[in-house]
Amino acid sequence: KAGVTQTPRYLIKTRGQQVTLSCSPISGHRSVSWYQQTPGQGLQFLFEYFSETQRNKGNFPGRFSGRQFSNSRSEMNVSTLELGDSALYLCASSPDRVISYEQYFGPGTRLTVT
Amino acid sequence: GENVEQHPSTLSVQEGDSAVIKCTYSDSASNYFPWYKQELGKRPQLIIDIRSNVGEKKDQRIAVTLNKTAKHFSLHITETQPEDSAVYFCAALSIGYSTLTFGKGTMLLVSP
Repeated sequence: KAGVTQTPRYLIKTRGQQVTLSCSPISGHRSVSWYQQTPGQGLQFLFEYFSETQRNKGNFPGRFSGRQFSNSRSEMNVSTLELGDSALYLCASSPDRVISYEQYFGPGTRLTVT
Repeated sequence: GENVEQHPSTLSVQEGDSAVIKCTYSDSASNYFPWYKQELGKRPQLIIDIRSNVGEKKDQRIAVTLNKTAKHFSLHITETQPEDSAVYFCAALSIGYSTLTFGKGTMLLVSP
């Protein structure tokens, strides 16, 4: 099976702009989680989607949002970008929380805000 | 919510030595504990995991132990090799949720 894919891999934006990141999970996986990785804070949970519904949400401002489509692909959106949003954004897919807890990460999108 | 503490933050060993990384968690409802390895510029890779009904699990040179009473779990790597050099993250997941809470990571450096 193909692994988790994310697009784009690199992105440079300026403050105030908005950005959309995409994640395609492993075929058959229905859960997609998003994480922000920074050197200072490590890996922090953003939100998780399952069957097009947001199941869990981390402690991030409302500028961070996401959605999931019927084919399990997910997008996250960050509006009004701030310098502090510069980070590696990782998504992870999982089959189903009842069957399996394992999460498999994509390569990430490196976002730089200038 | 869950809080995961990981120690040490950096660990340097000689090739062939053993390495141990320790994590503690706060939520007694957590029941799944994975370990991820992240090489520079790459994605985190799941290397081993353990569930709360198991005390120890091994996979070749890697082992994980879990002490539910003390709420801590550890990663043991034996006969370390230079290719083991990476950042290792522990994580915990609570029953009924799919949210992994990660430790801050341990940078392991294995010198030849």
